[in-house]
Amino acid sequence: AQKVTQAQTEISVVEKEDVTLDCVYETRDTTYYLFWYKQPPSGELVFLIRRNSFDEQNEISGRYSWNFQKSTSSFNFTITASQVVDSAVYFCALRENRDDKIIFGKGTRLHILP
Amino acid sequence: GAVVSQHPSRVICKSGTSVKIECRSLDFQATTMFWYRQFPKQSLMLMATSNEGSKATYEQGVEKDKFLINHASLTLSTLTVTSAHPEDSSFYICSASSGPTDTQYFGPGTRLTVL
Repeated sequence: AQKVTQAQTEISVVEKEDVTLDCVYETRDTTYYLFWYKQPPSGELVFLIRRNSFDEQNEISGRYSWNFQKSTSSFNFTITASQVVDSAVYFCALRENRDDKIIFGKGTRLHILP
Repeated sequence: GAVVSQHPSRVICKSGTSVKIECRSLDFQATTMFWYRQFPKQSLMLMATSNEGSKATYEQGVEKDKFLINHASLTLSTLTVTSAHPEDSSFYICSASSGPTDTQYFGPGTRLTVL
């Protein structure tokens, strides 16, 4: 069975600090896709990144970076020089190749304090 | 990224009435649409998956007669909550993808309050 674990329920950091959100997944498939979504207070889910299981290259997009490590089944997300606008709930998600369903983690609520 | 809209964004209704929520993909053809439900401070729970022109596939525990889903075109899916009760109050979110292996793009959600 597939499963996504976000052990950090809530994190608070002071603005400009770096913060890493952890995500650990379980799957029996060799082909799968990992996602991160941001849900600000408005409620809309914003797509951040999609990664397939064959692409272990780390990715950087501005202040955001992702570290995908198959050896530890982790797909962690780091925000560098955090800003108040980064305050949101962040969801990590997994989709197996044989299925069109996405399984979401429980989310990490991130508070960036001014 | 792709744009998905939902209407209405917020609805308040009386117990026993039916409510229809629309989900539209604005700039791409969505062969597959998904409906989720999210309770406060919880994760998204998939309710059903619909493919254009086919009957929706419901997740275990979701009453198909209560949550009617129609996906009549490649840009529109509707969720009708029939005979709504206060326990149906929740945040309903749809997503759309142009294929089963493609990224899902989410709508802004609909907050339903049943009095």
